[in-house]
Amino acid sequence: AQSVTQLDSQVPVFEEAPVELRCNYSSSVSVYLFWYVQYPNQGLQLLLKYLSGSTLVESINGFEAEFNKSQTSFHLRKPSVHISDTAEYFCAVSSNFGNEKLTFGTGTRLTIIP
Amino acid sequence: DTEVTQTPKHLVMGMTNKKSLKCEQHMGHRAMYWYKQKAKKPPELMFVYSYEKLSINESVPSRFSPECPNSSLLNLHLHALQPEDSALYLCASSQTQGAQETQYFGPGTRLLVL
Repeated sequence: AQSVTQLDSQVPVFEEAPVELRCNYSSSVSVYLFWYVQYPNQGLQLLLKYLSGSTLVESINGFEAEFNKSQTSFHLRKPSVHISDTAEYFCAVSSNFGNEKLTFGTGTRLTIIP
Repeated sequence: DTEVTQTPKHLVMGMTNKKSLKCEQHMGHRAMYWYKQKAKKPPELMFVYSYEKLSINESVPSRFSPECPNSSLLNLHLHALQPEDSALYLCASSQTQGAQETQYFGPGTRLLVL
């Protein structure tokens, strides 16, 4: 079975400061990794994903995440945050074994302080 | 167009009512999903339809009845719900039911059961 751990339930950050949201996964097989963002009163939007190839993946709004197989991590980073980045961020994992479900972490609430 | 639409946006119902949630996508996706999300929690998978056939039922109580009338539509029929069923119900779709597929989420229906 696969699982995802997001240790930080809340992360407050000053505007224009860097941020890292941590995600660790557990799986005995190869996995695909996703970061979804949920803005207040909205559904989830894909931020970025790792399927294969380059371990560093980037999104169009300045976020990036690095797949680290040895540390089973997929941390999300942004060098300079903006007020509009305030949201809930979910890390998720899936694999080709089992029923291919998307397993979500418990989420990290990112709050940007002006 | 990567839009998944859901109606209604809000729904209040009594425990004896019958209501339906609707979801629509026109991306040609052949997999559609229902998730339940409680406040400050990650989405929990309820049902998956693949090529209009029920693929996964996560042991959801029978008071929730899904229906996929065609490849663009997904319904969730509600009957005799309990107050603990109050939540945000999210619909999602993906190209196919594959582990590496991106799921596109709708904005959700916020349900309150009195």
